Amino acid sequence: GAVVSQHPSWVICKSGTSVKIECRSLDFQATTMFWYRQFPKKSLMLMATSNEGSKATYEQGVEKDKFLINHASLTLSTLTVTSAHPEDSSFYICSAHEGPEYFGPGTRLLVL
Amino acid sequence: ILNVEQSPQSLHVQEGDSTNFTCSFPSSNFYALHWYRWETAKSPEALFVMTLNGDEKKKGRISATLNTKEGYSYLYIKGSQPEDSATYLCALAPDKLIFGTGTRLQVFP
Repeated sequence: GAVVSQHPSWVICKSGTSVKIECRSLDFQATTMFWYRQFPKKSLMLMATSNEGSKATYEQGVEKDKFLINHASLTLSTLTVTSAHPEDSSFYICSAHEGPEYFGPGTRLLVL
Repeated sequence: ILNVEQSPQSLHVQEGDSTNFTCSFPSSNFYALHWYRWETAKSPEALFVMTLNGDEKKKGRISATLNTKEGYSYLYIKGSQPEDSATYLCALAPDKLIFGTGTRLQVFP
């Protein structure tokens, strides 16, 4: 099946710093990628839909100025958590469509 | 807001046992249901996409059924093996995936 990679797999940062997470489709092109977040014991929740060459579409309640999404090429989408705070600590995972939806392995973010 | 429920939350079985778990969802405006298998530190892996009421799909020892009229899908694992240990997620797909919280399966040798 298609492979989606994510980098980094985990990150620890200080409160107030910004963190960039990369999502790459390795063997296919994806005009659309998705960013999800999962809090402990909760389900994966869609944050935003990343569209190559245009603005991302954010789900209700997700701050677009806090979670910046850039989808500059057909194989790369980035999520930047700006001015991260402890409440942003979570598991972030991306996916891309290639028939079914293929997921990256996720990024665990801990903000101290 | 659509709600997708999975039960049980976790399950411990002995190697060789067969097991099953449930995904429940609103039966109105059904489009498709996805099942994923998610091993720790790996990417969720698509198992099945189910669209038709009465659908039954099989992949090796894993099979799934779908009842869209009553709003549930069952996932069955026959003769569980330790390598089946994972979290099994279902997701409802109207225009975007809405996930349940998953069933965490642990198979003991």
